[in-house]
Formats: sequence, structure tokens, C-alpha cells
Amino acid sequence: ETGVTQTPRHLVMGMTNKKSLKCEQHLGHNAMYWYKQSAKKPLELMFVYSLEERVENNSVPSRFSPECPNSSHLFLHLHTLQPEDSALYLCASSLRFTNEKLFFGSGTQLSVL
Amino acid sequence: DAKTTQPPSMDCAEGRAANLPCNHSTISGNEYVYWYRQIHSQGPQYIIHGLKNNETNEMASLIITEDRKSSTLILPHATLRDTAVYYCIVRAVYNQGGKLIFGQGTELSVKP
Repeated sequence: ETGVTQTPRHLVMGMTNKKSLKCEQHLGHNAMYWYKQSAKKPLELMFVYSLEERVENNSVPSRFSPECPNSSHLFLHLHTLQPEDSALYLCASSLRFTNEKLFFGSGTQLSVL
Repeated sequence: DAKTTQPPSMDCAEGRAANLPCNHSTISGNEYVYWYRQIHSQGPQYIIHGLKNNETNEMASLIITEDRKSSTLILPHATLRDTAVYYCIVRAVYNQGGKLIFGQGTELSVKP
């Protein structure tokens, strides 16, 4: 148990659906992250939030929309995804944005049909 | 950030020490070496980090060469549960924060 909880663990959606991934951390951390891991590829950083402010957006398509309502919660809203967006989506948190010790959730395995 | 080079895969017998190498010949003076591992279908897990001195914690030991151009992660008594992909990452602390850039890592298989 890392203190970072992601729901759902698995998600299957059609290309016209709208869904959201949720991440919650119980560690009192101030920075939260979304990573994407496609099959047989390294993790790719998508978004970074520090104190609820987005500080990084790594050229992610607009069909992925993050939201950080408070320092404990992070969402990734999904709409009109493509089959190539199927991947493991991982949430992580750290004490501060400048801290390299990240705590990861178990991820949401997303399949887009 | 300095680039790292790791062997794509390694095997280790259960109960023996697993020594995972990492080359980072272009490392700068302010860059730390971090190790994470990722067990199948889970998120990465922090293991250990160091600057220039050897480090040890309850999970592993980190040996950094004197010139800091390479390091070795040591799991002293590998178990089947240590089977995972191990990532060596070099990153300057307080430089653009927790933007860890993961490479391909080393896939360690611990065999009975």
C-alpha cells in the first residue's frame, strides 16, 4: 500500500465515451502527476500539478483533460479517445514538486475499443 | 539530465545477490542516482538514491563508483518477489522537480 489510490483498476470504453480516472493520495503531498505507460514502452510523463496548479503539460492531446481540485485528488477526464490511447495510466505524488521520491498508485488499465 | 544505460535483462538465482549495473558517464556534479522498480501491472516503487557515497536501506544497497560514471544496485538476497523491471534514473535535485524520465530499465528475473 503506497498511500496513492487509483480507481477504477480497469476500464473499457468506446471511442465516443466520456470517462474519468480518479487518483487520491493520503500522504499529505503537494505535487501530483499523471504518467502513461503503453505496452513495452517507458513511462511517459503527461501532467504535473504542484499545489493544485498545473506546472507541466507534456504536449498531451486535448482529449485528455486533467483536474486537480485539491492537493489530495487528481482526475484525468477522457473523451473521444483513440485505440492507441489504450495503456496503463499511473498517478503519482511527491511531498513537493522538487522532490524526486515519487509514490505511485497501481494504475488504471484502459482499453479503448 | 544525464542519460543512463542498463542491460535489458538479467537473471538471478533465488537467495543470491542480484547486482544491477547502470552506466551514467555524463552525470553532472549535482545529479543524483535514483533507482525504482516496477513489478508487473503495478506502479513503480522507489528503492534508493545517492549522490556519491554508497547508500543502504532495508531494500537494497547502492554502490556508486568514485568517478560517479556508473553505479550498481544490490539486492543482497533476491527472492521471487524481486522479479521486476528496475529503472536507474539520474536527475538533478531541485531542477524542475519530480519530472522523472524513465528509460527501458533492466528486467530482472529471479529464478528458483
